[in-house]
Amino acid sequence: GAVVSQHPSRVICKSGTSVKIECRSLDFQATTMFWYRQFPKQSLMLMATSNEGSKATYEQGVEKDKFLINHASLTLSTLTVTSAHPEDSSFYICSARGGWDQPQHFGDGTRLSIL
Amino acid sequence: AQTVTQSQPEMSVQEAETVTLSCTYDTSESNYYLFWYKQPPSRQMILVIRQEAYKQQNATENRFSVNFQKAAKSFSLKISDSQLGDTAMYFCAFLGGRDDKIIFGKGTRLHILP
Repeated sequence: GAVVSQHPSRVICKSGTSVKIECRSLDFQATTMFWYRQFPKQSLMLMATSNEGSKATYEQGVEKDKFLINHASLTLSTLTVTSAHPEDSSFYICSARGGWDQPQHFGDGTRLSIL
Repeated sequence: AQTVTQSQPEMSVQEAETVTLSCTYDTSESNYYLFWYKQPPSRQMILVIRQEAYKQQNATENRFSVNFQKAAKSFSLKISDSQLGDTAMYFCAFLGGRDDKIIFGKGTRLHILP
Protein backbone atom coordinates (compact mmCIF):
# COMPACT_ATOMS: atom_id res chain seq x y z
CA GLY A 1 0.00 0.00 0.00
CA ALA A 2 0.88 3.66 -0.27
CA VAL A 3 3.43 4.81 2.29
CA VAL A 4 4.00 8.29 3.62
CA SER A 5 7.08 8.93 5.71
CA GLN A 6 7.16 11.82 8.16
CA HIS A 7 10.32 12.92 9.90
CA PRO A 8 11.19 13.58 12.65
CA SER A 9 8.72 11.77 14.87
CA ARG A 10 9.66 13.77 17.94
CA VAL A 11 11.23 17.18 18.40
CA ILE A 12 12.08 19.03 21.57
CA CYS A 13 13.64 22.44 21.20
CA LYS A 14 14.01 25.80 22.80
CA SER A 15 11.67 28.70 22.25
CA GLY A 16 12.71 30.89 19.33
CA THR A 17 14.18 28.18 17.15
CA SER A 18 12.77 27.07 13.82
CA VAL A 19 11.78 23.49 13.22
CA LYS A 20 11.42 21.72 9.89
CA ILE A 21 9.22 18.67 9.42
CA GLU A 22 9.46 16.57 6.27
CA CYS A 23 6.73 14.55 4.60
CA ARG A 24 7.61 12.13 1.83
CA SER A 25 5.48 9.87 -0.32
CA LEU A 26 7.66 6.80 -0.79
CA ASP A 27 5.91 4.80 -3.48
CA PHE A 28 3.60 7.20 -5.28
CA GLN A 29 3.56 10.71 -6.63
CA ALA A 30 1.67 13.04 -4.36
CA THR A 31 0.08 15.85 -6.31
CA THR A 32 -1.44 17.20 -3.13
CA MET A 33 -0.19 17.16 0.43
CA PHE A 34 -1.95 18.30 3.56
CA TRP A 35 -0.69 19.47 6.93
CA TYR A 36 -2.76 19.00 10.06
CA ARG A 37 -2.42 19.91 13.67
CA GLN A 38 -4.00 17.82 16.38
CA PHE A 39 -4.56 18.84 19.97
CA PRO A 40 -5.01 16.14 22.64
CA LYS A 41 -8.28 14.23 22.34
CA GLN A 42 -9.42 16.33 19.40
CA SER A 43 -9.87 15.83 15.70
CA LEU A 44 -7.38 16.81 13.04
CA MET A 45 -7.35 20.50 12.19
CA LEU A 46 -6.32 21.22 8.63
CA MET A 47 -3.64 23.90 8.48
CA ALA A 48 -2.87 24.06 4.79
CA THR A 49 -3.09 22.30 1.46
CA SER A 50 -0.14 22.26 -0.89
CA ASN A 51 0.06 21.28 -4.52
CA GLU A 52 3.39 20.51 -6.10
CA GLY A 53 5.01 23.58 -7.59
CA SER A 54 2.53 26.11 -6.28
CA LYS A 55 1.98 28.09 -3.12
CA ALA A 56 0.17 26.46 -0.26
CA THR A 57 -3.40 27.36 0.55
CA TYR A 58 -3.75 28.12 4.23
CA GLU A 59 -6.88 27.68 6.30
CA GLN A 60 -8.39 30.66 8.02
CA GLY A 61 -6.55 31.58 11.18
CA VAL A 62 -3.29 29.84 10.24
CA GLU A 63 -0.36 32.23 10.00
CA LYS A 64 1.45 31.60 6.74
CA ASP A 65 4.55 33.42 7.92
CA LYS A 66 4.63 31.25 11.00
CA PHE A 67 4.07 27.94 9.28
CA LEU A 68 6.05 27.86 6.05
CA ILE A 69 5.12 25.10 3.63
CA ASN A 70 7.14 24.05 0.64
CA HIS A 71 6.08 21.39 -1.85
CA ALA A 72 8.97 21.40 -4.27
CA SER A 73 8.52 17.93 -5.71
CA LEU A 74 5.88 15.26 -6.18
CA THR A 75 7.28 13.29 -3.28
CA LEU A 76 8.29 15.88 -0.69
CA SER A 77 6.61 18.60 1.29
CA THR A 78 8.07 20.41 4.28
CA LEU A 79 6.52 22.37 7.11
CA THR A 80 8.76 24.84 8.92
CA VAL A 81 7.57 26.27 12.21
CA THR A 82 9.43 29.54 12.44
CA SER A 83 10.47 31.10 15.74
CA ALA A 84 8.57 28.43 17.62
CA HIS A 85 7.01 29.20 20.98
CA PRO A 86 5.47 26.93 23.65
CA GLU A 87 1.98 27.48 22.24
CA ASP A 88 3.16 25.86 19.00
CA SER A 89 3.69 22.60 20.86
CA SER A 90 1.38 20.06 19.32
CA PHE A 91 1.11 16.95 17.18
CA TYR A 92 1.55 17.68 13.48
CA ILE A 93 0.49 15.19 10.82
CA CYS A 94 0.97 15.28 7.08
CA SER A 95 -0.93 13.37 4.46
CA ALA A 96 -0.58 12.87 0.73
CA ARG A 97 -2.68 11.66 -2.15
CA GLY A 98 -2.07 10.95 -5.79
CA GLY A 99 -5.30 12.22 -7.28
CA TRP A 100 -8.53 13.88 -6.22
CA ASP A 101 -10.40 10.60 -5.96
CA GLN A 102 -7.61 8.78 -4.19
CA PRO A 103 -7.57 8.26 -0.43
CA GLN A 104 -5.24 10.32 1.69
CA HIS A 105 -2.36 8.44 3.24
CA PHE A 106 -0.98 9.78 6.47
CA GLY A 107 2.47 10.06 7.93
CA ASP A 108 3.03 8.88 11.49
CA GLY A 109 3.05 12.42 12.84
CA THR A 110 5.52 14.64 14.63
CA ARG A 111 5.23 15.50 18.29
CA LEU A 112 6.65 18.97 18.71
CA SER A 113 7.53 20.26 22.16
CA ILE A 114 8.79 23.81 22.59
CA LEU A 115 10.42 24.54 25.92
CA ALA B 1 -20.69 23.70 3.31
CA GLN B 2 -20.10 20.07 4.11
CA THR B 3 -20.28 18.86 7.68
CA VAL B 4 -19.58 15.54 9.37
CA THR B 5 -21.14 14.65 12.70
CA GLN B 6 -20.17 11.85 15.02
CA SER B 7 -22.62 11.84 17.89
CA GLN B 8 -20.85 9.30 20.09
CA PRO B 9 -17.77 10.82 21.77
CA GLU B 10 -16.87 7.59 23.53
CA MET B 11 -17.95 3.93 23.54
CA SER B 12 -16.92 0.75 25.32
CA VAL B 13 -17.69 -2.84 24.36
CA GLN B 14 -16.51 -6.25 25.41
CA GLU B 15 -14.06 -8.14 23.28
CA ALA B 16 -15.71 -10.29 20.59
CA GLU B 17 -18.86 -8.18 20.57
CA THR B 18 -20.12 -6.22 17.60
CA VAL B 19 -20.14 -2.44 17.78
CA THR B 20 -21.55 0.22 15.49
CA LEU B 21 -20.18 3.74 15.25
CA SER B 22 -22.51 6.34 13.82
CA CYS B 23 -21.76 9.12 11.41
CA THR B 24 -24.00 11.56 9.58
CA TYR B 25 -23.01 14.17 7.07
CA ASP B 26 -24.53 17.04 5.21
CA THR B 27 -23.83 17.93 1.61
CA SER B 28 -25.51 19.11 -1.54
CA GLU B 29 -23.06 17.18 -3.71
CA SER B 30 -24.12 14.05 -5.56
CA ASN B 31 -20.66 12.61 -6.07
CA TYR B 32 -18.41 12.20 -3.06
CA TYR B 33 -16.41 9.77 -0.98
CA LEU B 34 -16.74 8.71 2.62
CA PHE B 35 -14.05 7.23 4.82
CA TRP B 36 -13.47 5.79 8.23
CA TYR B 37 -10.02 6.33 9.70
CA LYS B 38 -8.65 4.70 12.82
CA GLN B 39 -6.16 6.41 15.12
CA PRO B 40 -4.76 4.05 17.77
CA PRO B 41 -2.76 5.29 20.78
CA SER B 42 0.30 5.43 18.55
CA ARG B 43 -1.56 8.28 16.78
CA GLN B 44 -0.96 6.89 13.32
CA MET B 45 -3.93 7.52 11.01
CA ILE B 46 -5.03 4.30 9.35
CA LEU B 47 -7.61 4.08 6.59
CA VAL B 48 -10.16 1.48 7.63
CA ILE B 49 -12.70 1.63 4.85
CA ARG B 50 -13.79 3.78 1.93
CA GLN B 51 -17.16 4.20 0.20
CA GLU B 52 -17.93 5.87 -3.11
CA ALA B 53 -21.29 7.60 -3.03
CA TYR B 54 -22.28 6.34 -6.46
CA LYS B 55 -21.96 2.73 -5.31
CA GLN B 56 -25.06 1.29 -3.68
CA GLN B 57 -23.24 -1.72 -2.29
CA ASN B 58 -21.87 -1.24 1.20
CA ALA B 59 -18.09 -1.48 1.47
CA THR B 60 -16.58 -4.23 3.60
CA GLU B 61 -13.05 -4.97 4.76
CA ASN B 62 -12.81 -8.19 6.76
CA ARG B 63 -14.43 -7.45 10.15
CA PHE B 64 -15.27 -3.89 9.17
CA SER B 65 -18.35 -2.96 7.19
CA VAL B 66 -20.40 0.14 6.61
CA ASN B 67 -24.09 0.87 6.39
CA PHE B 68 -24.29 3.62 3.81
CA GLN B 69 -27.69 5.27 3.60
CA LYS B 70 -27.33 7.97 0.98
CA ALA B 71 -30.81 9.43 1.30
CA ALA B 72 -30.45 9.70 5.04
CA LYS B 73 -26.82 10.88 4.71
CA SER B 74 -25.72 8.28 7.16
CA PHE B 75 -22.48 6.29 7.11
CA SER B 76 -22.11 4.00 10.11
CA LEU B 77 -19.20 1.64 10.74
CA LYS B 78 -19.78 -1.86 12.10
CA ILE B 79 -16.94 -3.75 13.71
CA SER B 80 -17.66 -7.45 14.13
CA ASP B 81 -15.88 -9.76 16.56
CA SER B 82 -14.12 -6.78 18.11
CA GLN B 83 -10.53 -7.24 19.23
CA LEU B 84 -8.39 -5.45 21.79
CA GLY B 85 -6.38 -3.98 18.93
CA ASP B 86 -9.47 -2.17 17.72
CA THR B 87 -9.18 0.21 20.66
CA ALA B 88 -8.65 3.59 19.02
CA MET B 89 -10.15 6.86 18.01
CA TYR B 90 -12.30 6.51 14.90
CA PHE B 91 -12.87 9.40 12.53
CA CYS B 92 -15.55 9.57 9.89
CA ALA B 93 -14.50 11.70 6.91
CA PHE B 94 -16.03 13.24 3.78
CA LEU B 95 -14.46 14.26 0.49
CA GLY B 96 -16.45 15.86 -2.26
CA GLY B 97 -17.50 18.89 -4.16
CA ARG B 98 -15.24 21.78 -4.97
CA ASP B 99 -13.33 21.41 -1.75
CA ASP B 100 -10.07 19.65 -2.30
CA LYS B 101 -9.83 18.53 1.28
CA ILE B 102 -11.21 15.86 3.55
CA ILE B 103 -13.55 16.97 6.28
CA PHE B 104 -13.25 15.00 9.50
CA GLY B 105 -15.79 14.41 12.22
CA LYS B 106 -14.81 14.98 15.82
CA GLY B 107 -14.18 11.31 16.38
CA THR B 108 -15.43 8.47 18.55
CA ARG B 109 -13.11 6.99 21.12
CA LEU B 110 -13.68 3.23 21.19
CA HIS B 111 -12.51 1.04 24.05
CA ILE B 112 -12.51 -2.73 23.64
CA LEU B 113 -12.60 -4.33 27.05
CA PRO B 114 -11.03 -7.73 27.79
